[in-house]
Amino acid sequence: AQSVTQLDSQVPVFEEAPVELRCNYSSSVSVYLFWYVQYPNQGLQLLLKYLSGSTLVKGINGFEAEFNKSQTSFHLRKPSVHISDTAEYFCAVRYNAGNMLTFGGGTRLMVKP
Amino acid sequence: GAGVSQSPSNKVTEKGKDVELRCDPISGHTALYWYRQSLGQGLEFLIYFQGNSAPDKSGLPSDRFSAERTGGSVSTLTIQRTQQEDSAVYLCASSQAANTGELFFGEGSRLTVL
Repeated sequence: AQSVTQLDSQVPVFEEAPVELRCNYSSSVSVYLFWYVQYPNQGLQLLLKYLSGSTLVKGINGFEAEFNKSQTSFHLRKPSVHISDTAEYFCAVRYNAGNMLTFGGGTRLMVKP
Repeated sequence: GAGVSQSPSNKVTEKGKDVELRCDPISGHTALYWYRQSLGQGLEFLIYFQGNSAPDKSGLPSDRFSAERTGGSVSTLTIQRTQQEDSAVYLCASSQAANTGELFFGEGSRLTVL
């Protein structure tokens, strides 16, 4: 079965420190990859996406992610986090141009002062 | 409106009652999705509509769940004879086309079954 795994359910980090949120997906010939962010009491919004081309994708709020086909990963990174980055982050995959996005279980990023 | 609108934002009901959750997608978006987000868990796909095609109902957890989309726009998710395990946030999303992958989400309807 197709799946998306976010290995860390929670990531505590101090403000201005770097962070990496991990995402792995089950192997497939063709995938589109996404990261969504959900701030407290808000809906999900798109952070960044990989459809094709350069494997390093830059998104909003200084986040970036790198598509690694051999490792079937799409880890999210930010070199210096802010308190305002505290949120739930979801990795999502669309397999073989299918109809739906398959989401990972989410990672709660907690930025501490 | 500019975004996906869902109502009600909160719904508390008693076990065994029926509930209806409404989603108004972004104007012009042909694809509409329902997902469920349970406490501490990821998003679970429920159902997908694309234009006038037959919906993909493969994610509906039981026959107590159903959804319709009228006129290719507004959608209603109905849960009959609610159970406590139905308590969750029900999220609606829409997109311009099925294969772009970028979904625009509403803020969700939080359902609590007592």
